Amino acid sequence: EADIYQTPRYLVIGTGKKITLECSQTMGHDKMYWYQQDPGMELHLIHYSYGVNSTEKGDLSSESTVSRIRTEHFPLTLESARPSHTSQYLCASSEAAVDTQYFGPGTRLTVL
Amino acid sequence: QKEVEQNSGPLSVPEGAIASLNCTYSDRGSQSFFWYRQYSGKSPELIMFIYSNGDKEDGRFTAQLNKASQYVSLLIRDSQPSDSATYLCAVNPPGSGGYQKVTFGIGTKLQVIP
Repeated sequence: EADIYQTPRYLVIGTGKKITLECSQTMGHDKMYWYQQDPGMELHLIHYSYGVNSTEKGDLSSESTVSRIRTEHFPLTLESARPSHTSQYLCASSEAAVDTQYFGPGTRLTVL
Repeated sequence: QKEVEQNSGPLSVPEGAIASLNCTYSDRGSQSFFWYRQYSGKSPELIMFIYSNGDKEDGRFTAQLNKASQYVSLLIRDSQPSDSATYLCAVNPPGSGGYQKVTFGIGTKLQVIP
């Protein structure tokens, strides 16, 4: 069973607030990913990392930023939340050589 | 052309029938292929992966890969209402050193009718 955690699971916040979505995995995976997914819609990759101190932007332009200081931790930050950021955010991880991804439970973000 | 193409559906099949889900990909050098299942409101979970041409079976699921035609399919035998979900195809493009990233299709919604 995959051990990848996301907090908070649900977040309702006002416009202009700074937020950080947490993602941690205990599997020692080098690769980690952040996806954005609206209900019933496709997954969009917004950030990924190949390892510590490695971060890359994904296919979907995002106003969020990420960091990878520790292997197990890959937080995503929005400096100033807007209603357009309302969505589900999914974190995933995989081993470097085998790209089977394990997903966390997700954070459902609502910006009022 | 999208890198990974799937029909969004919905695909409706009666209970007990075989559900056939298809996926095509554009990069001929792609190396590995994955099928994920996503229930409504939940995260995707891996069903199967396949690397070699041919069939790979796991219980009621069979993945089929044809690299020459650049398609991968997932067959679900004896479909059950609990199989109703969106099925995501994912493809790992050519690359080296683990620096390639998987691309997901839009997903096909499957409805199994009791």
